[in-house]
Amino acid sequence: DQQVKQNSPSLSVQEGRISILNCDYTNSMFDYFLWYKKYPAEGPTFLISISSIKDKNEDGRFTVFLNKSAKHLSLHIVPSQPGDSAVYFCAANKRAGNNRKLIWGLGTSLAVNP
Amino acid sequence: GAGVSQSPSNKVTEKGKDVELRCDPISGHTALYWYRQSLGQGLEFLIYFQGNSAPDKSGLPSDRFSAERTGGSVSTLTIQRTQQEDSAVYLCASSSGLAGGSSYEQYFGPGTRLTVT
Repeated sequence: DQQVKQNSPSLSVQEGRISILNCDYTNSMFDYFLWYKKYPAEGPTFLISISSIKDKNEDGRFTVFLNKSAKHLSLHIVPSQPGDSAVYFCAANKRAGNNRKLIWGLGTSLAVNP
Repeated sequence: GAGVSQSPSNKVTEKGKDVELRCDPISGHTALYWYRQSLGQGLEFLIYFQGNSAPDKSGLPSDRFSAERTGGSVSTLTIQRTQQEDSAVYLCASSSGLAGGSSYEQYFGPGTRLTVT
């Protein structure tokens, strides 16, 4: 029972273009979402997050959009660079209580071609 | 450095042997997580420690797997009687126990690549 779904296992874009990575969730109690980036042979690194009280959060070339009614979020990278080639994971949680356990998607492998 | 460290970085073991994997979290972080990633797969949650609370062991795949966290800091993941399907990268992460969104940001170590032959 996958509560966080990344339906595209891979994505390929040209350098300079926009990369859009998608994530869907099923649990309406989730109210905090994070994106992580993972290079081969390294642990994932935190990229950007968004609370459910917002519908957009921007940090440099990275923007996350949240559509609560559709239970959908997306990560936009613009312009895409070859160094962005990595696996991107979407994760979610409920902020109520003291539980900090995240529910993870299976990841999308992004390839940015020069 | 001040990041999460894991040891060993690589471990090759024979089927049936026991292995211990170590994680040193970021100092002061009260939450510690173990995951594994098999080849071509996503992150699989194993176990979660939060402060002095009982750990969430819901992700451990069998009773051959166990973990402890001594003194609220260092954690050891033990796999007994290893099987070939245990081969994976084992990742440890920690996060702060502070209130607010940043407490959900998990900081990962580089992982331990386990190969069971």
